[in-house]
Amino acid sequence: EPEVTQTPSHQVTQMGQEVILRCVPISNHLYFYWYRQILGQKVEFLVSFYNNEISEKSEIFDDQFSVERPDGSNFTLKIRSTKLEDSAMYFCASSERGSNTEAFFGQGTRLTVV
Amino acid sequence: AQRVTQPEKLLSVFKGAPVELKCNYSYSGSPELFWYVQYSRQRLQLLLRHISRESIKGFTADLNKGETSFHLKKPFAQEEDSAMYYCALFYSGGGADGLTFGKGTHLIIQP
Repeated sequence: EPEVTQTPSHQVTQMGQEVILRCVPISNHLYFYWYRQILGQKVEFLVSFYNNEISEKSEIFDDQFSVERPDGSNFTLKIRSTKLEDSAMYFCASSERGSNTEAFFGQGTRLTVV
Repeated sequence: AQRVTQPEKLLSVFKGAPVELKCNYSYSGSPELFWYVQYSRQRLQLLLRHISRESIKGFTADLNKGETSFHLKKPFAQEEDSAMYYCALFYSGGGADGLTFGKGTHLIIQP
């Protein structure tokens, strides 16, 4: 069964450093998403991406965040200058467009900013 | 703006007892609702969606537009049902699509 894969599974970085979280969506999916979940809190929407551009972003997704689909298979989330409060589980998801679309989630990357 | 509310952070029931996980939503459009489950150390995965009206692992959920609810139910809980459950609303419009999640309910099934 096809699945969304994310690497790395755990990333530790120093405050102020840049990190890139990587995702390989399911190959025939057209919509891509990043969500995050701070420990003990709910899953929060960050950004959706379609047709090589951001289609929507939340208030959380400020100028320090960016997304890219560099080579037609990977979908990356970059955090330019990490803060302690960026520590969270980051989930990538992908879906086919449709009225009953089903988002498939990756296993997540745990980002720890120290 | 759309919103999903799961009022119970934690729900503990005994094995064999009925389970009901509550979910209420607010959305101006026509709602599409889902339940996602996250077992310990595993990824989020879709449990069921209202549009298919299916029963998965004995769970069912009925969309009640009058009460704006999509509660998840199972008549007889099993220990392997212990997990985090998230209710989610799919929204679309203005060229953007996405899922809004509730805060989740941690279901614990006691032996």
